[in-house]
Amino acid sequence: GAGVSQSPSNKVTEKGKDVELRCDPISGHTALYWYRQSLGQGLEFLIYFQGNSAPDKSGLPSDRFSAERTGGSVSTLTIQRTQQEDSAVYLCASSRTGGVEAFFGQGTRLTVV
Amino acid sequence: QKEVEQNSGPLSVPEGAIASLNCTYSDRGSQSFFWYRQYSGKSPELIMFIYSNGDKEDGRFTAQLNKASQYVSLLIRDSQPSDSATYLCAVNRVDSSYKLIFGSGTRLLVRP
Repeated sequence: GAGVSQSPSNKVTEKGKDVELRCDPISGHTALYWYRQSLGQGLEFLIYFQGNSAPDKSGLPSDRFSAERTGGSVSTLTIQRTQQEDSAVYLCASSRTGGVEAFFGQGTRLTVV
Repeated sequence: QKEVEQNSGPLSVPEGAIASLNCTYSDRGSQSFFWYRQYSGKSPELIMFIYSNGDKEDGRFTAQLNKASQYVSLLIRDSQPSDSATYLCAVNRVDSSYKLIFGSGTRLLVRP
């Protein structure tokens, strides 16, 4: 695609429910990153994919968070049993390969009520 | 010590002036350096990247890298009110992965 696409743009969910956030990277980009940005804060690294593999999952805040990538393309970030502190904007970025310029999607704003 | 450090600002400059934004990083093995601009409520937008020591110019923007001092900066010449945003410095660690680590950003305000 022309750019990184994320869906949904906004998600409001009740505490305790599971949510899935989707990222469709730029076509041909093998590297994919997930970040979280709370209001007024910087970008918190969550996970990095190279192809379908995740060599670095160190940023996932708890075992309620998981991510997968299939076909070297679309990635899904799943948050189980959501908590209010999970409320944030979740940003996805992709790059041609690791270590070079990365481009962001528009983000998914998650609100847990 | 944070891996990537930036002064949070705000940095206030008059229109037409040069804005100088600074960033230091802790991992001496870092090899790729990026500057992103983020307007309020929007996602980060890549504006510059630099891989080698020295200066890299693109229009009104110049990125400067000094690996010995672990320092990267962004100069914005002829600053415009539309440049008012938060500027994020990002660094690629070089280990088993290519984790892209961001600073917390510097807020720039260009006064008309």
